[in-house]
Amino acid sequence: DSGVTQTPKHLITATGQRVTLRCSPRSGDLSVYWYQQSLDQGLQFLIQYYNGEERAKGNILERFSAQQFPDLHSELNLSSLELGDSALYFCASSVESSPNYGYTFGSGTRLTVV
Amino acid sequence: GQNIDQPTEMTATEGAIVQINCTYQTSGFNGLFWYQQHAGEAPTFLSYNVLDGLEEKGRFSSFLSRSKGYSYLLLKELQMKDSASYLCAVTDPRLSNTGKLIFGQGTTLQVKP
Repeated sequence: DSGVTQTPKHLITATGQRVTLRCSPRSGDLSVYWYQQSLDQGLQFLIQYYNGEERAKGNILERFSAQQFPDLHSELNLSSLELGDSALYFCASSVESSPNYGYTFGSGTRLTVV
Repeated sequence: GQNIDQPTEMTATEGAIVQINCTYQTSGFNGLFWYQQHAGEAPTFLSYNVLDGLEEKGRFSSFLSRSKGYSYLLLKELQMKDSASYLCAVTDPRLSNTGKLIFGQGTTLQVKP
């Protein structure tokens, strides 16, 4: 157990629907990161929050949004889902906003859009 | 931006040594990471290099040459459980005060008996 908790572990939904993925960082970590991993794209950075504020943004689609709450958990909202959104979505956390020791990933949410 | 190149697949024998290479663009650099990822699982942190040279950590070592935009991960005394994907990643030089990492596609290592 890495200490980073992601729910749900698996999600199957239809095209056009909206889903919310949840992440609880390790105790004491202020930064949360979201990554998407698909077979053809590898691990792609989506967004980072640090202590409730957006810190960095990757090539996140406009249909996707995220936030970090006062208790530091984070949610990634995916809407108007398309088949191509099927992927593993990982959350990671770290104490600092720019760690040099790597960060800890959660076990991921596998999203399947049918 | 950063382009990261790694071999797609490698095969090695149990007990042997394997070197996984990674090259990246040198336009700005703040550090290079190696992660291990077993199929369907989360990536786990292996090493971080910011200065030139070799960093040794048990059976795993990581080397960096900033002038050449080159790194390698060296795995010694290979075990079957080392069969996994190895991901090279660099910090985004445009966002140096963030934790954003740019990952390579990963090298799938298969260890055979």
